[in-house]
Amino acid sequence: DIQMTQSPSSLSASVGDRVTITCRASQSISSYLNWYQQKPGKAPKLLIYAASSLQSGVPSRFSGSGSGTDFTLTISSLQPEDFATYYCQQSYSTPSITFGQGTRLEIK
Amino acid sequence: QLQLQESGSGLVKPSQTLSLTCAVSGGSISSGGYSWSWIRQPPGKGLEWIGYIYHSGSTYYNPSLKSRVTISVDRSKNQFSLKLSSVTAADTAVYYCASYGRMYYFDYWGQGTLVTVSS
Repeated sequence: DIQMTQSPSSLSASVGDRVTITCRASQSISSYLNWYQQKPGKAPKLLIYAASSLQSGVPSRFSGSGSGTDFTLTISSLQPEDFATYYCQQSYSTPSITFGQGTRLEIK
Repeated sequence: QLQLQESGSGLVKPSQTLSLTCAVSGGSISSGGYSWSWIRQPPGKGLEWIGYIYHSGSTYYNPSLKSRVTISVDRSKNQFSLKLSSVTAADTAVYYCASYGRMYYFDYWGQGTLVTVSS
């Protein structure tokens, strides 16, 4: 199984900050990496697919990069509605799918 | 645009079988290009993929759950189902159904349903 490790597990930031979350795969997954945002009591929402493609309707302050084993999700200027938990998910080994453990983004 | 809605028992006794259904609207469950998945999230924890069924009927399950999981499709009702047998308290979670598209991501999700395993 491909293991996905996110860092940090949690972080505190302020509105307007630039934030980067990292996801590392236990083996190369090319660009088969997706990012989701989850708010309390809600289903996850797709933000980024194929490592760097922005899902329709997602604000441009979100961006993704990376390939192989190391990936990043960047929020260029945090907005109040961005405080949530973020998950990466690899689809390289489809049909077997794994998620990262999540990164909780909190207000400082 | 697809809409998914989970339903089923919210309380299951230990050793019994958990059964959930996901009704799909806004599209046919039989159309090519999608597979239909179940994902769960224990309280306060992360996401765990359970398995999915392709439009062809082929199924794939998380190896850690494979011996207890069955996912099936009812095309006449445009819905798919999850059965998880021999449940324990560790199976207590919010269960989500979701669509998995050709681009290999989960694009549409149900709102989730909490299933508690308790006597």
